[in-house]
Amino acid sequence: SQKIEQNSEALNIQEGKTATLTCNYTNYSPAYLQWYRQDPGRGPVFLLLIRENEKEKRKERLKVTFDTTLKQSLFHITASQPADSATYLCAHSGSARQLTFGSGTQLTVLP
Amino acid sequence: DAMVIQNPRYQVTQFGKPVTLSCSQTLNHNVMYWYQQKSSQAPKLLFHYYDKDFNNEADTPDNFQSRRPNTSFCFLDIRSPGLGDAAMYLCATSRDGDRGPQVRYFGPGTRLTVL
Repeated sequence: SQKIEQNSEALNIQEGKTATLTCNYTNYSPAYLQWYRQDPGRGPVFLLLIRENEKEKRKERLKVTFDTTLKQSLFHITASQPADSATYLCAHSGSARQLTFGSGTQLTVLP
Repeated sequence: DAMVIQNPRYQVTQFGKPVTLSCSQTLNHNVMYWYQQKSSQAPKLLFHYYDKDFNNEADTPDNFQSRRPNTSFCFLDIRSPGLGDAAMYLCATSRDGDRGPQVRYFGPGTRLTVL
């Protein structure tokens, strides 16, 4: 079965730097990868989606890449701010209603 | 604003005492999901409704049931909560019929404590 793995350790970075989070998957390449942000005690919020035939997607300070050879997606936050501190979840979907989440990476941006 | 609402935000129950969590949505989405999330873990899908069709995940215990009386509302019933059922319960919606993947719109969650 498909597995999805994210940086298991918390990631601390300095304000202004670029945060890079990793999402690795096994077996088949998902048709899509989605990234969500989750604040403590809240539900996840959708951020970005990238298709398997796309190399890169951007939205403001966010950038997602998708490398089917490495079976990996990278999520970047440029010019990071303390308000970006949260847990970021990667999720893969092979079909419309199928979506499997990773356990997330907890990001802390230090002022 | 269109949204997904969950009530209550915090629920405390006793071991073995039935509890119901509720979810409502104003997005008019035809798919509604219930996820269980424990600390530092991935959200785990329990079941979902596609319109009125109920779809249970193979590993969801029988202790968990769901009802969807209409498009806007969905309920999660835990018949006999155990200590291991303490978790955050997340309701989500999506709109089937869109081309491509369905983005999930989550509610704020209900934190369940079992004493």
